[in-house]
Amino acid sequence: GAVVSQHPSRVICKSGTSVKIECRSLDFQATTMFWYRQFPKKSLMLMATSNEGSKATYEQGVEKDKFLINHASLTLSTLTVTSAHPEDSSFYICSASWTTINNEQFFGPGTRLTVL
Amino acid sequence: QKEVEQNSGPLSVPEGAIASLNCTYSDRGSQSFFWYRQYSGKSPELIMSIYSNGDKEDGRFTAQLNKASQYVSLLIRDSQPSDSATYLCAVNQDSSYKLIFGSGTRLLVRP
Repeated sequence: GAVVSQHPSRVICKSGTSVKIECRSLDFQATTMFWYRQFPKKSLMLMATSNEGSKATYEQGVEKDKFLINHASLTLSTLTVTSAHPEDSSFYICSASWTTINNEQFFGPGTRLTVL
Repeated sequence: QKEVEQNSGPLSVPEGAIASLNCTYSDRGSQSFFWYRQYSGKSPELIMSIYSNGDKEDGRFTAQLNKASQYVSLLIRDSQPSDSATYLCAVNQDSSYKLIFGSGTRLLVRP
């Protein structure tokens, strides 16, 4: 149980384009989903927390207009990187949680974004 | 500022030995503690969670929590080369669903 999928697993795009990443909880309803990014040899950096049906809460320094998050259902959250630039190239990972399990978070496999 | 500290390593142990990974945290209000394993290029995988003082064992893994001293550790018995990975310690409070991650300890198990 507690399987989280992400799509796509890898994307290469040109500078200025927008990229949408999907995160799905496959066998449970996720009341909360989290979006992280990770640079090489660095730890996870939380970007935002999203709850189904409400606006995402962004961490300090994360531009909400650049990283659009939608959590339309209890099994799906999307992250859209708008007008991507090379500095946005990173490993983006989502996680999902349902509160009855002591705040355990289960991670998706991640999406590697490369912006040319 | 809430912090979770880990030695970056690498921690190198021979196959079959016990690997001991340590983590300290600054926020005394922390209630839930997690160990994640992350292979290079992959996302983190939850391997242990612990919520109360003492030891919790699961197969070859034992998590130890000492809230008075604000540390949590992970022991891996009979280490295998496949255990070679980065181990991330994560902590959160009851009032927040957010996890605060340490920077991770890289473990290398030598055949």
